[in-house]
Amino acid sequence: DQQVKQNSPSLSVQEGRISILNCDYTNSMFDYFLWYKKYPAEGPTFLISISSIKDKNEDGRFTVFLNKSAKHLSLHIVPSQPGDSAVYFCAAGNAGGTSYGKLTFGQGTILTVHP
Amino acid sequence: DAGITQSPRYKITETGRQVTLMCHQTWSHSYMFWYRQDLGHGLRLIYYSAAADITDKGEVPDGYVVSRSKTENFPLTLESATRSQTSVYFCASAEALTSKLYEQYFGPGTRLTVT
Repeated sequence: DQQVKQNSPSLSVQEGRISILNCDYTNSMFDYFLWYKKYPAEGPTFLISISSIKDKNEDGRFTVFLNKSAKHLSLHIVPSQPGDSAVYFCAAGNAGGTSYGKLTFGQGTILTVHP
Repeated sequence: DAGITQSPRYKITETGRQVTLMCHQTWSHSYMFWYRQDLGHGLRLIYYSAAADITDKGEVPDGYVVSRSKTENFPLTLESATRSQTSVYFCASAEALTSKLYEQYFGPGTRLTVT
């Protein structure tokens, strides 16, 4: 039972254009959502997060949107740069009960930004 | 070195052997985690620890053992390695503060091959 899904294994974008990465979740108890970025041979690094009380969070070129009714979040990168080429994981957490502190990750989306 | 380190970075072992993967962090983070990354599955939680001497199972704990006698160390042991445990293993840590708990810091990973 995949509670967090990234249905696009890969995405290819031209430099300067917008990259949109999508993520769907099924567990309505999730109340915190994050995006991580991973380069080859390195561990994932935290990129941006959003709590369920918000619908948008922005940090420089990166914006995360949350649509709770659709159980969907997306990451927008504008403008995309070749250095953004990496694997992007979305993750979700629930601050309540026995799930406190645990994250559930999606399968990842490989983003390639072409010069 | 400051941060979170894993050793070894690469390991080849035979089926049935016991293997221990090490994880060390210098931030005194309360929470520590072990994940495995496999194609098509993203990152899956094996075990996590909220503090020294407190550990709990994640999504895929079978075949693994953890301990945490000191805050900074969180070793993962494969008691009798199987080919299905061939994977890349990531250790992570996080602060106990609710606002920071989900911002996990990952080590560089250990690539384990079981022959």
